[in-house]
Amino acid sequence: EPEVTQTPSHQVTQMGQEVILRCVPISNHLYFYWYRQILGQKVEFLVSFYNNEISEKSEIFDDQFSVERPDGSNFTLKIRSTKLEDSAMYFCASGKYEQYFGPGTRLTVT
Amino acid sequence: AQSVTQLGSHVSVSEGALVLLRCNYSSSVPPYLFWYVQYPNQGLQLLLKYTTGATLVKGINGFEAEFKKSETSFHLTKPSAHMSDAAEYFCAVSFGGATNKLIFGTGTLLAVQP
Repeated sequence: EPEVTQTPSHQVTQMGQEVILRCVPISNHLYFYWYRQILGQKVEFLVSFYNNEISEKSEIFDDQFSVERPDGSNFTLKIRSTKLEDSAMYFCASGKYEQYFGPGTRLTVT
Repeated sequence: AQSVTQLGSHVSVSEGALVLLRCNYSSSVPPYLFWYVQYPNQGLQLLLKYTTGATLVKGINGFEAEFKKSETSFHLTKPSAHMSDAAEYFCAVSFGGATNKLIFGTGTLLAVQP
């Protein structure tokens, strides 16, 4: 059964450093998303991506964030200069009317 | 503004008892409705969804949910709880359109007692 994969499973970084979170969506999907879940809180939408461009972004997704589909399989989320409050679980998802989620990357900013 | 409310952040049931997890939404247009389950240290797994058609939808692991437009609700039920059902359950809505972004409720942690 096809699934969304994410790497790494856990990333620890120092404040101010850049991180890139990687995702491989389901191969025939065209819509991609990033969500985040701060510990103990609900899952929040960050950004959606279709046809090689951002289709919608939330107010969380500021200039420190960017997304890219560098090739035909990967979908990345970059945080340019991490802050303590960026510590969260980041989920990638793909699909249109049904979204399938990856296992997440736990980002810890120290 | 569109929102999702899940009543009860923690629900505890006995094994074999009925599971009822509540979800209400606020929207001026009919949404698509979803329930996801999250086991500890894992991602979100789609349990079931409603888009159009029959308002009672069946999902995996014996769960089902009924869309009631008049009540703006999409409660999740399972007739008989199993220990393996212990997890966090999230209700979510989307509204189609260009992005189909999901708006999640705050989640309900289900505990199943032996």
